[in-house]
Amino acid sequence: DSGVTQTPKHLITATGQRVTLRCSPRSGDLSVYWYQQSLDQGLQFLIQYYNGEERAKGNILERFSAQQFPDLHSELNLSSLELGDSALYFCASSVAGGNYEQYFGPGTRLTVT
Amino acid sequence: GNSVTQMEGPVTLSEEAFLTINCTYTATGYPSLFWYVQYPGEGLQLLLKATKADDKGSNKGFEATYRKETTSFHLEKGSVQVSDSAVYFCALSGGGGSYIPTFGRGTSLIVHP
Repeated sequence: DSGVTQTPKHLITATGQRVTLRCSPRSGDLSVYWYQQSLDQGLQFLIQYYNGEERAKGNILERFSAQQFPDLHSELNLSSLELGDSALYFCASSVAGGNYEQYFGPGTRLTVT
Repeated sequence: GNSVTQMEGPVTLSEEAFLTINCTYTATGYPSLFWYVQYPGEGLQLLLKATKADDKGSNKGFEATYRKETTSFHLEKGSVQVSDSAVYFCALSGGGGSYIPTFGRGTSLIVHP
């Protein structure tokens, strides 16, 4: 158990809909990362927050947004969903950014029908 | 930008065979290097790390040495077990002021009894 929790575990929704994925980092970790994992694209970094502030942005679509709250939990919002958004979404946390190792949650499997 | 290249899988071995999974990277500055492992249905777990040139990371019989001259961080294990079957990811972060973590595409390892 990494100490990182993600909800829900599975999500099935229709095209055009909006969903919110939630992540709670390990106790004491200030940095949260979001990733998308699919068979054809591998593990893609989406966005990182550090202590409530956006720190780095990767291949995140404009339809996707995220935030980190004062209690350090984070939410990833996916809107106008397309079939191609079906993937595993992982959250990870670390003490800080930069050179620190990350601890991954169990992921949320999103299926868009 | 930074990049990580891993050997294509799957790598198929018999139990007690020697394992090498190649990883090379491109980065500015002095990033930290990591190997993560993903077992079926789970999130990634840190396997080992190295933070500077010539450092050797080791854990559970796995080893990797940070080679700056060849920009490599190859993963090795002297005698694999069936329970080592998983997907292995090479990654880097930090270095050159970049907070964006970079992962390789992953190498699937299958160990037969």
